[in-house]
Amino acid sequence: VQLQESGPGLVKPSETLSLTCTVSGDSVSSDSYYWTWVRQSPGKGLEWIGYIYDSENTIYNPSLKNRVTISIDTSTNQLFLKMTSVTAVDTAVYYCVTEERFRFDSWGPGILVTVSS
Amino acid sequence: DIQMTQSPSSLSASVGDRVTITCRASQTVSRYLNWYQQKLGNAPKLLIYGASTLQSGVPSRFSGSGSETHFILTISSLQPEDFATYYCQQNNITPYTFGQGTKLEIK
Repeated sequence: VQLQESGPGLVKPSETLSLTCTVSGDSVSSDSYYWTWVRQSPGKGLEWIGYIYDSENTIYNPSLKNRVTISIDTSTNQLFLKMTSVTAVDTAVYYCVTEERFRFDSWGPGILVTVSS
Repeated sequence: DIQMTQSPSSLSASVGDRVTITCRASQTVSRYLNWYQQKLGNAPKLLIYGASTLQSGVPSRFSGSGSETHFILTISSLQPEDFATYYCQQNNITPYTFGQGTKLEIK
């Protein structure tokens, strides 16, 4: 599986961060994987954001306090992340990742998102 | 949340050295413990999963051991390409959590 993140590199505080992960080599509707987002910031290190499986079931990190939505589009074979009400602490490199059998085995190259006015 | 604590946070070693990195969990994660290697500017790469199973393509000088709350990553003979940052991560209970990382530097 190959993964490629895309989206704006700069988001203003209080706005919504929207990222896309384009998947190749398998289908996002595949039940082989949990389709996952992970982020990495200097302050908090690596942080698991959440995942979607079986096309519609989601689990999120409670620390993100209901600001996050993960979804997929099977017609375009893409995974999406939306994070509302962003602040500077949401500045990070965001990775699209596959979880297969309890391990993160494929990672996208990551995209740096900076939250700043 | 399960807290993952790695030691040391940084380590200087020479090519050919044997190196061990420890990861401790604040509660049991059974054997749902993975190790990743990250080089500057790149995404983490899976090295070991299930505490001790080597990911396909990873050199055999890497090995993992442990269970419950105490885990060890060993590199038997350091190679120049092994200088990187290493992370442990538990996949036992959500939210999944990572250690803070161990930076392995050339002495």
